[in-house]
Amino acid sequence: GENVEQHPSTLSVQEGDSAVIKCTYSDSASNYFPWYKQELGKRPQLIIDIRSNVGEKKDQRIAVTLNKTAKHFSLHITETQPEDSAVYFCAASNPNFGNEKLTFGTGTRLTIIP
Amino acid sequence: SQTIHQWPATLVQPVGSPLSLECTVEGTSNPNLYWYRQAAGRGLQLLFYSVGIGQISSEVPQNLSASRPQDRQFILSSKKLLLSDSGFYLCAWSGWVRQETQYFGPGTRLLVL
Repeated sequence: GENVEQHPSTLSVQEGDSAVIKCTYSDSASNYFPWYKQELGKRPQLIIDIRSNVGEKKDQRIAVTLNKTAKHFSLHITETQPEDSAVYFCAASNPNFGNEKLTFGTGTRLTIIP
Repeated sequence: SQTIHQWPATLVQPVGSPLSLECTVEGTSNPNLYWYRQAAGRGLQLLFYSVGIGQISSEVPQNLSASRPQDRQFILSSKKLLLSDSGFYLCAWSGWVRQETQYFGPGTRLLVL
């Protein structure tokens, strides 16, 4: 089955600087990669996703890049703000073969230092 | 628009007592439904998922069970709770059109004493 590794487990960044979280996956057939943000005590919320037919996707201060050859994808947050502090989870799946499951990484706790 | 509900929001139960958590989805038909558990400060563990009424797949052997009596209702149960069952239980759904994108409910925080 799929295995997703996520690094780092914790990350502290000065407000205004950029943050990068990296994930690697094992199944080369995986073709869908979402990122979720979970604030303390709240549900995980989808913030951005990417499919394997594109290499990069941006949404304001958030971007995701995908390297299919190396089987890794990354979340980039620019101009970080205090409200970006949360736990971020990456995930991977291949829904084309009836696999409705997401395999999640172990999470990265991002702290923005004012 | 689609909405997902979970109840109760919080629950404190003694060891050995039964459990029933409910999840319902509004605004969509034939969703895929999922139960996850998240221990304090940890990641997301998939417990069960369902692609239709009466169709349940179990990911982790344990003392929990799941049922889907109606299209948009998913129930998580236990006959006898263990201390290790404490955690944050999240229900999620995905649509039949975009099956890969999952959206989470507000969760139930369970404390077993």
